[in-house]
Amino acid sequence: DFLMSQSPLSLPVTLGQPASISCKSGQSLVYSDGHTYLHWLQQRPGQSPRRLIYRVSKRESGVPDRFSGSGSGTNFTLKISRVEAEDVGVYYCMQGTRLYTFGQGTKLEIK
Amino acid sequence: QVQLQQWGAGLLKPSETLSLTCALYGGSFGDYYWSWIRQSPGMGLEWIGEIDHSGTTNYNPSLRSRVTISVDRSKNQFSLKVNSVTAADTAVYFCASSPNFAVDSWGQGTLVTVSS
Repeated sequence: DFLMSQSPLSLPVTLGQPASISCKSGQSLVYSDGHTYLHWLQQRPGQSPRRLIYRVSKRESGVPDRFSGSGSGTNFTLKISRVEAEDVGVYYCMQGTRLYTFGQGTKLEIK
Repeated sequence: QVQLQQWGAGLLKPSETLSLTCALYGGSFGDYYWSWIRQSPGMGLEWIGEIDHSGTTNYNPSLRSRVTISVDRSKNQFSLKVNSVTAADTAVYFCASSPNFAVDSWGQGTLVTVSS
């Protein structure tokens, strides 16, 4: 089952502090080609989602290096080293190994 | 990156057909698959299906029976139809590019409301 489960669902963070979001899949996301198609999206208020990280740890062009992704198999993490005001929004993990499914989203807000 | 612009009717009655179109600018239609995704408060983000330049489609099994995605290569456009809509189909619908088992560029979104 390619259900994606994120935690926490709400993440209040003080500016300048780190943040971490967990994403778990019901099945391994390793595809037959050896790649893992786990990606992270950011959706700022009132905007369409945009891709931050693809294939677990590869940052999209223009994404600040304070964002990083890690993990393998069924367990993945998005980390923000120092949260800035522009990071407010909802973060989603999504898998592309078998069609596409998304996590429930984690709402990051500033404390 | 490609630019995607979408349009379609925003208010439907139950049992009607939802119809949306997405146009591609600044890229080649033959490069990728092209997806439709919807977002509702109750279901979050839900992938509906995708199509490539040749018309090969993949659909979400939960929606397959009511959904048709088609492509018009001459206009660099692809379209979504959902039959027999109900209130549960109320959502913001997005078109997107889906290269290499990922979703990349997103359209601006269209709010579709189903109400009698």
